[in-house]
Amino acid sequence: GAGVSQSPRYKVAKRGQDVALRCDPISGHVSLFWYQQALGQGPEFLTYFQNEAQLDKSGLPSDRFFAERPEGSVSTLKIQRTQQEDSAVYLCASSLAHGAGLDEQYFGPGTRLTVT
Amino acid sequence: DQQVKQNSPSLSVQEGRISILNCDYTNSMFDYFLWYKKYPAEGPTFLISISSIKDKNEDGRFTVFLNKSAKHLSLHIVPSQPGDSAVYFCAASAYKYIFGTGTRLKVLA
Repeated sequence: GAGVSQSPRYKVAKRGQDVALRCDPISGHVSLFWYQQALGQGPEFLTYFQNEAQLDKSGLPSDRFFAERPEGSVSTLKIQRTQQEDSAVYLCASSLAHGAGLDEQYFGPGTRLTVT
Repeated sequence: DQQVKQNSPSLSVQEGRISILNCDYTNSMFDYFLWYKKYPAEGPTFLISISSIKDKNEDGRFTVFLNKSAKHLSLHIVPSQPGDSAVYFCAASAYKYIFGTGTRLKVLA
C-alpha cells in the first residue's frame, strides 16, 4: 500500500541499549511528525520536519532522543541509552503540505518499544 | 497541563443508538480540530475535522459540533455500529497535533 510505514513494528531493548526506529512517509509528503504514545494516553508530539529541516524538536523528552530526515523522505528516530520510561508506541505521521493547520496527517502503525 | 481533555475514558452504546464523545480544550487560540479513530495495533486514522469558523461539520454518520465559547467539541455517531468500536481521540491542530487521552467506545450488538 501507499501509506506510512514504520519498522520495526516491535522492539525490545535492554536498558542502556541504543535503538533506531524508521519511518517511511507517503511519497511526496513534505511534513513529517513523530509522536510518543504511552499506555492509556494520547499521542504526544516529539518533533516535526519540513522536508529535511527539523523545524520543531520541542517535544523530545531529553537529549537521548535524536531524529533525522537527511534527504527529506525517510526519517529515523534514535534513542540512546534507553530507559524504562521510554517504553511506548512511537508513531510517525506525514502530511502533504507545509505544516498547514488544515492539513490532515496520515499515521503509520507505530513501533512498540519495550525497555526491560 | 492537559490542553485537550477527554474526560470519559470509556463509553458503551447499543447498536443503532447515538454515540456522543466529548472533548474540551483550554487554549482559545486553537482554530482547527480533528477526530481520529484507533484500532488496536494500528495507527490513528482520520475521521472528521472542523475549523473554528464553523460550528458543525457532517460526514455521513459522523457529525462534529464545536462550541467555541465553551471550548468544547463533540463527535456524534448515529446510528452506531459494532465496527465503530475503537478508541477515539480528539486533537487540536497547531500544525502539530495536541491529542486528548482518548475515549474507548464499545458498540454492543
